[in-house]
Amino acid sequence: QLQLQESGPGLVNPSETLSLICDVSGGSLTSSGFYYWAWIRQPPGKGLEWIGSIYHDGTIHHNPSFKSRVAISVDTSNNQVSLQLSSVSAADTALYLCSKRTLLQPPVWGRGTRVTVSS
Amino acid sequence: DIVMTQSPVSLSVTPGEPASISCRSSQSLLFSNGYHYLDWYLQKPGQSPQLLIYLGSNRASGVPDRFSGSGSGTDFTLKINTMEAEDVGVYYCMQALHNPLTFGGGTKVDIK
Repeated sequence: QLQLQESGPGLVNPSETLSLICDVSGGSLTSSGFYYWAWIRQPPGKGLEWIGSIYHDGTIHHNPSFKSRVAISVDTSNNQVSLQLSSVSAADTALYLCSKRTLLQPPVWGRGTRVTVSS
Repeated sequence: DIVMTQSPVSLSVTPGEPASISCRSSQSLLFSNGYHYLDWYLQKPGQSPQLLIYLGSNRASGVPDRFSGSGSGTDFTLKINTMEAEDVGVYYCMQALHNPLTFGGGTKVDIK
């Protein structure tokens, strides 16, 4: 059974780059057919917000609200999906979650990792 | 962007009674394969969101059968047949058909 586990620094200084990892276990990072890996976040006390996705063919889409601050990649050798968010501010304080989606299988989510942006 | 509108914003339900949450999308969520890319999630207090329903009406593994999803096109409903204390939390709908993926604002459900 596919399991996802996010991890990160917990605390990041303003203006720096946030780097997060989603460890994939119980299955391969790559597979046949359509799928994508997505990053989603939830600021404290607020709703859910999609950050971006990387697709089976390497295509990347990100939420325009993040402008060019987002970078998403996959590391097949370590079975990981990565998120980098640059020039962070207090507004980026949130629970960050990764997810895998295929066409017909139930989407799988990790439990998330909390990130606080503060000096 | 597809706007997801949930109602009501909050709901108090007597244990054993039914509950219903509506989710409307600003565009159809029907894909060419015949499936609707609409999920329902429950976020229990202090926890991360957990999947309840995917593809509009498919119950996720381990989800009690008192939960059901229905709807088509732009109108979807999550129903709880008989409310239990463990069902309290915030319910979110999410569309996974178009980028940016978008979520409803949430419906907070508690026990009356």
